[in-house]
Amino acid sequence: EAGVVQSPRYKIIEKKQPVAFWCNPISGHNTLYWYRQNLGQGPELLIRYENEEAVDDSQLPKDRFSAERLKGVDSTLKIQPAELGDSAVYLCASKQGFEAFFGQGTRLTVV
Amino acid sequence: GNSVTQMEGPVTLSEEAFLTINCTYTATGYPSLFWYVQYPGEGLQLLLKATKADDKGSNKGFEATYRKETTSFHLEKGSVQVSDSAVYFCALDRMNSGAGSYQLTFGKGTKLSVIP
Repeated sequence: EAGVVQSPRYKIIEKKQPVAFWCNPISGHNTLYWYRQNLGQGPELLIRYENEEAVDDSQLPKDRFSAERLKGVDSTLKIQPAELGDSAVYLCASKQGFEAFFGQGTRLTVV
Repeated sequence: GNSVTQMEGPVTLSEEAFLTINCTYTATGYPSLFWYVQYPGEGLQLLLKATKADDKGSNKGFEATYRKETTSFHLEKGSVQVSDSAVYFCALDRMNSGAGSYQLTFGKGTKLSVIP
């Protein structure tokens, strides 16, 4: 069974540029999360989906971040414009039951 | 809101030493508790879980017991190996009253290095 797939693995962009991350969850998993993980820190939730509905986006900086989950499957996370402080690893996870499965993440560097 | 506090690292141990990584939590009711592990260059993987008080989760020689009375879920292993070198995250899954939905909340992580 394929795991959670994220792309790209690495992205370097200049500040003020837009960037997008893509996530393909495990088939059949209704719950999807986007997390941000700063260096040396634990993951922090950005947004959680149940099917195509964003049920918790309270920690998503909505002035520059947006997300969508089309047809309740794949999801994209976008930042526009990016700032230096957005440099981090962006993790996607999907869940069915108790266990959440994580992708390998996208390491974003904003210069 | 919900939160997880785990001991700060890094932790350096010799091979075959005993490991304890402390984890305490703040949450209402009975959250589910987890330990995730992140090996270098890889994503987070579930190591073990416990879903109710007094449950013991175990996997790969690691154990943790859900202690409701002390709101703790400490990770232990009797004899660590070099291959156990990784970052370990304690996490809980529970309704966050502020957000109005279930949240999977992580601690800051503890880096373990095991030397031969």
